[in-house]
Amino acid sequence: KNQVEQSPQSLIILEGKNCTLQCNYTVSPFSNLRWYKQDTGRGPVSLTIMTFSENTKSNGRYTATLDADTKQSSLHITASQLSDSASYICVVSGGSNSGYALNFGKGTSLLVTP
Amino acid sequence: DGGITQSPKYLFRKEGQNVTLSCEQNLNHDAMYWYRQDPGQGLRLIYYSQIVNDFQKGDIAEGYSVSREKKESFPLTVTSAQKNPTAFYLCASSIRHGTSGRNEQFFGPGTRLTVL
Repeated sequence: KNQVEQSPQSLIILEGKNCTLQCNYTVSPFSNLRWYKQDTGRGPVSLTIMTFSENTKSNGRYTATLDADTKQSSLHITASQLSDSASYICVVSGGSNSGYALNFGKGTSLLVTP
Repeated sequence: DGGITQSPKYLFRKEGQNVTLSCEQNLNHDAMYWYRQDPGQGLRLIYYSQIVNDFQKGDIAEGYSVSREKKESFPLTVTSAQKNPTAFYLCASSIRHGTSGRNEQFFGPGTRLTVL
């Protein structure tokens, strides 16, 4: 069973609009949570990383939030651009007992249209 | 792509043939990884290596083999025993494996393998 669930599976928005992607996880214990951006046909690139003690992290127009109590994270994209079209992957790292094993979500595919 | 190169970008092979995917990094990272990505699925770990001359099976190692003779190189061989090899293959590296969850994995550009 996948321990990281992302929603929605896909999303289409108009350029300039905001959007929010969701990530729910059951990984326990939990070390940290990363959001990656993956352009089509390319490797993922890290956007943000948060530990259990951090509840928000920004990287330009990307803002990630984390609620470790409810095991939920979100990635908010502000004033979207065409270049934001990509797949966004939530990755949750387990604790030391799992060797900090990475658990990958299936990703949310975002399309920004003119 | 963070100092990690993969070649070739596209690879075609006939059924029953072995094929080797290249992965090289110049980041001086100890740990290297191979993942497989299929449409609608999350990345799945095939093999990883914590240090030269050492490697461990991941979640889906059957039908694959690796070697780690040099720190900067971690080639993946897809053997004829892999029943469904058509996929996008990603190589990654990190400074260390398992010593801290904050160690970022840097990914290469990927190789798309198609079996004809």
